[in-house]
Amino acid sequence: DQQVKQNSPSLSVQEGRISILNCDYTNSMFDYFLWYKKYPAEGPTFLISISSIKDKNEDGRFTVFLNKSAKHLSLHIVPSQPGDSAVYFCAASVGGGGADGLTFGKGTHLIIQP
Amino acid sequence: EAGVAQSPRYKIIEKRQSVAFWCNPISGHATLYWYQQILGQGPKLLIQFQNNGVVDDSQLPKDRFSAERLKGVDSTLKIQPAKLEDSAVYLCASSVKNEQYFGPGTRLTVT
Repeated sequence: DQQVKQNSPSLSVQEGRISILNCDYTNSMFDYFLWYKKYPAEGPTFLISISSIKDKNEDGRFTVFLNKSAKHLSLHIVPSQPGDSAVYFCAASVGGGGADGLTFGKGTHLIIQP
Repeated sequence: EAGVAQSPRYKIIEKRQSVAFWCNPISGHATLYWYQQILGQGPKLLIQFQNNGVVDDSQLPKDRFSAERLKGVDSTLKIQPAKLEDSAVYLCASSVKNEQYFGPGTRLTVT
């Protein structure tokens, strides 16, 4: 039973446009959400996070939105750059922030086209 | 600052053989994790250590997998005996505050 779902295996976006990656979760106990970025042959690297007490968090070109009632979060990248091409994982935890064991989605492969 | 180190990077074994992976976390990070990432899936937590104590091993297949973190620094993950379905990338991570830092992983192929 997947508790964190990323329903788009891949997404293609033109350079300079907005990339929107979506994530849904089923476990209402999740209270901390994170996005990780992964390049081939490397481990995931932390990108941005959001606590359930907020509905938006922004860091440069990256913004995460959380809709608790819909159990949905999204990552917006504006503007998209070629270096953003990677697999993006949505992750969630219960009670421990980002230092607790994480439950990951399957990932979305973002391809930025020139 | 050096990142999380893992070795070996790649390993090929036959089913029923044993294998061990090693992880050296970032200096000063008390929490260490092992994740299993099967092709096409997200990482799945196998075990979490706080110093040298186990915090969560609920998803570790204890009949064949074992892990230890002696002295609260380095850690080893062992599989004995391996099955075909153990083919995956094994990721080690360590954390401070609210961020986990991942190593490059060990890609295991069981034939």
